[in-house]
Amino acid sequence: ETGVTQSPTHLIKTRGQQVTLRCSSQSGHNTVSWYQQALGQGPQFIFQYYREEENGRGNFPPRFSGLQFPNYSSELNVNALELDDSALYLCASSLSGLAPGYEQYFGPGTRLTVT
Amino acid sequence: GENVEQHPSTLSVQEGDSAVIKCTYSDSASNYFPWYKQELGKGPQLIIDIRSNVGEKKDQRIAVTLNKTAKHFSLHITETQPEDSAVYFCAAANTGNQFYFGTGTSLTVIP
Repeated sequence: ETGVTQSPTHLIKTRGQQVTLRCSSQSGHNTVSWYQQALGQGPQFIFQYYREEENGRGNFPPRFSGLQFPNYSSELNVNALELDDSALYLCASSLSGLAPGYEQYFGPGTRLTVT
Repeated sequence: GENVEQHPSTLSVQEGDSAVIKCTYSDSASNYFPWYKQELGKGPQLIIDIRSNVGEKKDQRIAVTLNKTAKHFSLHITETQPEDSAVYFCAAANTGNQFYFGTGTSLTVIP
């Protein structure tokens, strides 16, 4: 086990609603990255937070937003949910978002279903 | 941006045989290449990684090779066991530390 926890495990929402997913990073890690994994695909980078600041963003619209708290836990918020947002959302924690090549350790994910 | 391609998409081997999964990347700035194993219902688990200043790395039955000139890297699993059955992902990262993942290889080890 990596020590990265995510909640909730599963979530069902209706199109147009908003959702908040939560992640607690591994002890000692100050960086959290969020990924979206569609069924049968590899994870796709959404954004990364380092010491409470966004430190890079993938090709996702502004309705995907995030926060990182002083204890380095993080939230992913998605507004105006669309059917295509149905996926496994993964967070990964690492030691530093500024230096290259730091290992990222993943949590178990939150399975989001939008109906 | 970076583009990572992974082959094959599915792989079946007999227990005890070797398995090889190959990935190519497009961005010469990528300098960190991790491999993840994902079991059903779980998050990806880091199994081995390699940095661009190294050509090969081995950890027990698992090894990774990197060819920077050709921009490809491979995962080698020897003496496969049924518990090696899972989906394996390669990834590439550059100084921005954003990971770009391949599309995955579903490995089945037949007892």
